[in-house]
Amino acid sequence: QVQLQESGPGLVKSSETLSLTCTVSGGSISSYYWSWIRQPPGKGLEWIGYIYYSGSTNYNPSLKSRVTISVDTSKNQFSLRLTSVTAADTAAYYCARGPDSINDLDYWGQGTLVTVSS
Amino acid sequence: DIQMTQSPSSVSASVGDRVTIACRASQGISSWLAWYQHKPGKAPKLLIYGTFSLQSGVPSRFSGSGSGTDFTLTISSLQPEDFATYFCQQTHSFPLTFGGGTKVEIK
Repeated sequence: QVQLQESGPGLVKSSETLSLTCTVSGGSISSYYWSWIRQPPGKGLEWIGYIYYSGSTNYNPSLKSRVTISVDTSKNQFSLRLTSVTAADTAAYYCARGPDSINDLDYWGQGTLVTVSS
Repeated sequence: DIQMTQSPSSVSASVGDRVTIACRASQGISSWLAWYQHKPGKAPKLLIYGTFSLQSGVPSRFSGSGSGTDFTLTISSLQPEDFATYFCQQTHSFPLTFGGGTKVEIK
């Protein structure tokens, strides 16, 4: 069973960079796409972007200028960097496997709450 | 971007009830729709993909229907473990977008 686990600071200061890592266990990171999704408190889910194990990426245009997703196949991990954060970036951040061939996300992590403080 | 609108935002129901959740896309997405179940503190779980297809291991009391812009998730007989938040996702085009979620609560 594939499992994903997000890790990283739960508190980030305004204007700084948010960095999170997703560790994949129970399966290889190779041959799949991997996504980051977030959910601000009381709001809906927002897809941030994906990375293929080979390194190609696709970002949500709403965040593209501030987002970098990277992958480390040797560690079975992929990571998210979001620069110049503001209070609006306070959210639960989820990592997930996919999009697959029909663009769904078949395994998710349980999420980690990141709060941006002033 | 394709906007996804779910209704209702919450529903109160009893064990054994039939529950129906609607999801509407701002433009036609054919059958490119997935449904997820999310319980607090847990990883979201893929229930249905391609509008109709049950993910492996998902009970048959869950079903999906629709096409174009209007879709439905039905739980035929609500079980105690089904109390959760459900959300839809369009899988038609990028950026991927999600509905706002429907919380199924105990009546």
